[in-house]
Amino acid sequence: DQQVKQNSPSLSVQEGRISILNCDYTNSMFDYFLWYKKYPAEGPTFLISISSIKDKNEDGRFTVFLNKSAKHLSLHIVPSQPGDSAVYFCAKAAGNKLTFGGGTRVLVKP
Amino acid sequence: DTGVSQNPRHKITKRGQNVTFRCDPISEHNRLYWYRQTLGQGPEFLTYFQNEAQLEKSRLLSDRFSAERPKGSFSTLEIQRTEQGDSAMYLCASSLAGSPLHFGNGTRLTVT
Repeated sequence: DQQVKQNSPSLSVQEGRISILNCDYTNSMFDYFLWYKKYPAEGPTFLISISSIKDKNEDGRFTVFLNKSAKHLSLHIVPSQPGDSAVYFCAKAAGNKLTFGGGTRVLVKP
Repeated sequence: DTGVSQNPRHKITKRGQNVTFRCDPISEHNRLYWYRQTLGQGPEFLTYFQNEAQLEKSRLLSDRFSAERPKGSFSTLEIQRTEQGDSAMYLCASSLAGSPLHFGNGTRLTVT
């Protein structure tokens, strides 16, 4: 029962270019989505979120887009920096818990 | 804000032994969560506390697992009669209502 799916396990991008991470979800009941970033040997850290009343939310270099008809959200990082190299998880909030996707490993090459 | 603290960071145990992990949440957070993460997967929800009350448990949480938060502050997660399939990273998170979860750095369990 994969309610949140990240189809790209990895992404490699040149420093300064845009990173685009994608996430699909299967149940439209859930109306709040989040992106977390995880470095090795650390816990996930909150990055940005979006409510279903919006289709875009921006915070500095990070923008999340929500396409409710396609049940799809994406995270854009521009410009990408070497410190952005990490695993990124999308998650949907349902009641009192988060359901996470499997993650996308991003490598930003200098 | 000293963040969510988890101890130990690593635990190696033999199959059949019991283990206990501790989580100290951010002090003003009344909500506490346990998640489990295996290699190549995202974190999976195990259980949730609001103050000292355990309000939700995943079906992933078998009878061998028990979590407590006796005074609404720190929490413990105990696994009895460990199995090799229990090997994973166990993550604790805390939050206030309506705010994002703050995760600790986890306890990595290896069952040999």
